[in-house]
Amino acid sequence: DSGVTQTPKHLITATGQRVTLRCSPRSGDLSVYWYQQSLDQGLQFLIQYYNGEERAKGNILERFSAQQFPDLHSELNLSSLELGDSALYFCASTPGEGVPYNEQFFGPGTRLTVL
Amino acid sequence: AQKVTQAQTEISVVEKEDVTLDCVYETRDTTYYLFWYKQPPSGELVFLIRRNSFDEQNEISGRYSWNFQKSTSSFNFTITASQVVDSAVYFCALIYKTGANNLFFGTGTRLTVIP
Repeated sequence: DSGVTQTPKHLITATGQRVTLRCSPRSGDLSVYWYQQSLDQGLQFLIQYYNGEERAKGNILERFSAQQFPDLHSELNLSSLELGDSALYFCASTPGEGVPYNEQFFGPGTRLTVL
Repeated sequence: AQKVTQAQTEISVVEKEDVTLDCVYETRDTTYYLFWYKQPPSGELVFLIRRNSFDEQNEISGRYSWNFQKSTSSFNFTITASQVVDSAVYFCALIYKTGANNLFFGTGTRLTVIP
């Protein structure tokens, strides 16, 4: 158990809908990272937050957004869903802002299926 | 540009055989960090190892060993006396110092250990 929690574990929805994925980092970790794993794109970085502020952006679509709350949990919002958004979404956390000095520990993921 | 290549898409071995998973990386940075993660059938990503670019010392952890060679830009992973529980997808990943603090993942190698 990495200590990172994600809810829900599975999510099934329809095209055009909006969903919210939730992540709670390990106790004491200030950075949260979101990754998407799909058959087409593999594992790719979406966005990073550190202590409530956005720190880095990857290949995140404009239809997607995220935020980190004062209690450090993070939410990834996906809107106007398309079939291609079906994927496994991972959250990871580290104590500090600089990943190289800390391993990224991953949550169990949320599997999103868009029908 | 940063890139991680795992040329072996799938490997099958018989239990107790040794197996080496290849990873070749590209980066212009002189400071970078290399990682291996394991993704078992249950889906979570499990951290295995981190190696800094200035430390070429090979590492052994039980049946696992890693060979880091800057001259060939490779960071290969060997499992000795493989077991069925080693069956998983293994990802090699890279973080470069001057970039964002996110992991660049290879496409993964699916290892199947046959009893």
